[in-house]
Amino acid sequence: DTEVTQTPKHLVMGMTNKKSLKCEQHMGHRAMYWYKQKAKKPPELMFVYSYEKLSINESVPSRFSPECPNSSLLNLHLHALQPEDSALYLCASSLGTGGFDEQYFGPGTRLTVT
Amino acid sequence: AQSVTQLGSHVSVSEGALVLLRCNYSSSVPPYLFWYVQYPNQGLQLLLKYTSAATLVKGINGFEAEFKKSETSFHLTKPSAHMSDAAEYFCAVSYPNNNDMRFGAGTRLTVKP
Repeated sequence: DTEVTQTPKHLVMGMTNKKSLKCEQHMGHRAMYWYKQKAKKPPELMFVYSYEKLSINESVPSRFSPECPNSSLLNLHLHALQPEDSALYLCASSLGTGGFDEQYFGPGTRLTVT
Repeated sequence: AQSVTQLGSHVSVSEGALVLLRCNYSSSVPPYLFWYVQYPNQGLQLLLKYTSAATLVKGINGFEAEFKKSETSFHLTKPSAHMSDAAEYFCAVSYPNNNDMRFGAGTRLTVKP
């Protein structure tokens, strides 16, 4: 199984809503990542978890809250988002945490904030 | 700071023609370099990677790239373009002991019949 799955595929939420994005991998990877991608732009790193611990937070606003309940699962909790947060949110994982290993990406969640 | 620069935000080729997508890195230490492809409304898929073994790297779908330290380049090539190659291509860099991968701005490849 070389797949990273993400749910939901699409999400529309109001600025006062609370929602969560879910990411799962069963490849035994030890690092997991959240990226934000705006249209016609490259992915921007948001968070990195290494061995289930948050290792990188790219100064992301607190309305985005990551969680890694176990080595296979990564969540992104959303609260009080702004319309400019509308984007494709990509999850990825890699076998190691040292930069050598490629990242495997999920298909993304298309988020629209109204 | 580590970075990669992709020259040309849009490249257009005819079907059967050579594909050349350019990527240059800036670094004082040996990097790991990757090429990813993204089709519309999908995630990224790895084409190939360089991790300091062979300088000529072969990837999937007939793509290859050559690491040239003297030119700080890692250009992606394919001898003959197919219509199915039309997509967005990203060059990315990371470093030893650091899983902070950074992407170039991307190059959109269009293939004309």
